[in-house]
Amino acid sequence: AQSVAQPEDQVNVAEGNPLTVKCTYSVSGNPYLFWYVQYPNRGLQFLLKYITGDNLVKGSYGFEAEFNKSQTSFHLKKPSALVSDSALYFCAVRDYSSASKIIFGSGTRLSIRP
Amino acid sequence: NAGVTQTPKFQVLKTGQSMTLQCAQDMNHEYMSWYRQDPGMGLRLIHYSVGAGITDQGEVPNGYNVSRSTTEDFPLRLLSAAPSQTSVYFCASSPDPKRRLYEQYFGPGTRLTVT
Repeated sequence: AQSVAQPEDQVNVAEGNPLTVKCTYSVSGNPYLFWYVQYPNRGLQFLLKYITGDNLVKGSYGFEAEFNKSQTSFHLKKPSALVSDSALYFCAVRDYSSASKIIFGSGTRLSIRP
Repeated sequence: NAGVTQTPKFQVLKTGQSMTLQCAQDMNHEYMSWYRQDPGMGLRLIHYSVGAGITDQGEVPNGYNVSRSTTEDFPLRLLSAAPSQTSVYFCASSPDPKRRLYEQYFGPGTRLTVT
C-alpha cells in the first residue's frame, strides 16, 4: 500500500538556521510527491511537487525538497529559517491504486524561534 | 477569483442531527474532494468527485453523503451526526480530474463539534 511517513511530530529551529522536515515514502511505482503547508486556522497551501526530473525541486517561499530514490525520502529544506515559516507541514503522495486519491502524512509542526 | 469557499466556518451539532457543509469553487476545476483533519492523523479523504455527476468514496466515507450536480458545488452531508465526526473539514479542488500531476487548492475549513 502507498504511504508517507513524517517521523518528527515537531521540529524546532532558530531563525536564520537551515531547516529540514523529513518525509519518507512507500509506493509501488514512480512516486508523485507533494509538500503542503498549513498556517494556523487556514487551509493547506501547496508548496512544491516532484513528478520526474531533477532531484532538487524548488517551491514557494524559498523552500526546496530533495528527492532521494535510494533512501525513499523527500525531505523539505530551507537554507535560512524565518519566524513566519512556523506552521504545520504535510508530505503527500499520489495513491497508485487510484489516481484520484492522495495520501497525506500525519504532519510536522515547525517552530522557528527568534 | 474567490478560490475555494466553505460555509459555515464553525458549527456545533447535537448527536443525531443532520447538516450540510457547503463547498464552492470558481476556478472551473473538475476535481473536488472532502477531507477531515484530526490531530496526529493528517488529512483523510472522505469523498471525491472527478466531474459533475460523478462521485466516489475515499478512505472514511461512512456517515457522509455527497453529490455533484454542478462543476462549482460539492456539498457534504452528515446524515446523523456522531461525536466521532467532531473534526475540521476541508474541501479541495484541482484542475486535473485524475489529480495525477496538479496540486490541490484548499478551502479555509469548517470546524465541526458534535456533542
